Amino acid sequence: AQSVTQLDSHVSVSEGTPVLLRCNYSSSYSPSLFWYVQHPNKGLQLLLKYTSAATLVKGINGFEAEFKKSETSFHLTKPSAHMSDAAEYFCVVSDNDYKLSFGAGTTVTVRA
Amino acid sequence: GAVVSQHPSWVICKSGTSVKIECRSLDFQATTMFWYRQFPKQSLMLMATSNEGSKATYEQGVEKDKFLINHASLTLSTLTVTSAHPEDSSFYICSAWGGTVSYEQYFGPGTRLTVT
Repeated sequence: AQSVTQLDSHVSVSEGTPVLLRCNYSSSYSPSLFWYVQHPNKGLQLLLKYTSAATLVKGINGFEAEFKKSETSFHLTKPSAHMSDAAEYFCVVSDNDYKLSFGAGTTVTVRA
Repeated sequence: GAVVSQHPSWVICKSGTSVKIECRSLDFQATTMFWYRQFPKQSLMLMATSNEGSKATYEQGVEKDKFLINHASLTLSTLTVTSAHPEDSSFYICSAWGGTVSYEQYFGPGTRLTVT
């Protein structure tokens, strides 16, 4: 069985400061892990994915995430937040059977 | 590449009527398509998985007779909400998987259904 826990339902940061979105997963196998972003009334956009290659994964728009098996974590970071980063972020796990399990989501607010 | 479209993007229907939502993979063949439902400010919940030419597999608690899924080709899947009621109002999102090892799914923009 697979599941994801996003530890923060809401994160508020000032523009230009770092962003950290925390995600822990549970998986019976070597999982594939993803971060998706959803802007209001828009579809999901893939930010980055981990599929058993390098543990530090770089994505689009300056985001990156690190897979830590010992901590069962896949936290998402960005060094400097931009106003356009305000959105809903989902951590997602797949257990080698193409079925995705979504976390509850983290709402990011960016203050000017 | 890897674009998935949905039509319509927004639909309003009266209670008791049926509405069909289309999901198309525009530039690749989708081995499998998925239908999700998303309530306001909530996460996506998988409703069903469909493979081309076979019956859809529904998640527990999803009514098969209410949410009819047809996957007639490798680029088209449809979701029909039959006898819609106000509680069916939601954001419906489809995704498509092209059979890659990484299990990455490509998501459509979603369809907002409002039942009055």
